[in-house]
Amino acid sequence: ETGVTQSPTHLIKTRGQQVTLRCSSQSGHNTVSWYQQALGQGPQFIFQYYREEENGRGNFPPRFSGLQFPNYSSELNVNALELDDSALYLCASSLGSRQREDTQYFGPGTRLTVL
Amino acid sequence: AQRVTQPEKLLSVFKGAPVELKCNYSYSGSPELFWYVQYSRQRLQLLLRHISRESIKGFTADLNKGETSFHLKKPFAQEEDSAMYYCALRGYGQNFVFGPGTRLSVLP
Repeated sequence: ETGVTQSPTHLIKTRGQQVTLRCSSQSGHNTVSWYQQALGQGPQFIFQYYREEENGRGNFPPRFSGLQFPNYSSELNVNALELDDSALYLCASSLGSRQREDTQYFGPGTRLTVL
Repeated sequence: AQRVTQPEKLLSVFKGAPVELKCNYSYSGSPELFWYVQYSRQRLQLLLRHISRESIKGFTADLNKGETSFHLKKPFAQEEDSAMYYCALRGYGQNFVFGPGTRLSVLP
């Protein structure tokens, strides 16, 4: 059983650019959630995908968008990057969003730096 | 509004001493509360959740709805407990709200 993987590990972009982050969910998991973790803070929920559909969204602007593929891997896209977007982006997968006992398994994160 | 607070950024205790990591929440409904832990150079992982009422690695946490708290406790801290601890709430929809975290340092 493979765990959650994320790519790339690190990324440096400049203001105004666009970025795509990738996440492969754990085997058998159909739900993926994305979080932004700024330095010294807890993870902040961006959105969740369940079987290729958005299933909940946090307080992030529309320039944060996502996608989930038929194999349940996922992408996070951020347009018009701002300096405040610099953070660790975490992906977490789980068996199914409607199960009360559902457990999230986190990936190692992608460190994004916006200059 | 959903909110999780952890008043201590850093908590240092000696090995063998009791430890209590505080967590308070605000939520208008029946919350699901969790504790997540991140050991050095490891991923964030679930430690325990209130609905399971379990003890993991000697840690327990009781949901107190009257005080809106979910404090994490362990009677005798071990050096390997040193880590970053996050309290989290699952509320409306599937949104998880995490607290800012408390770094626990267990001194020898």
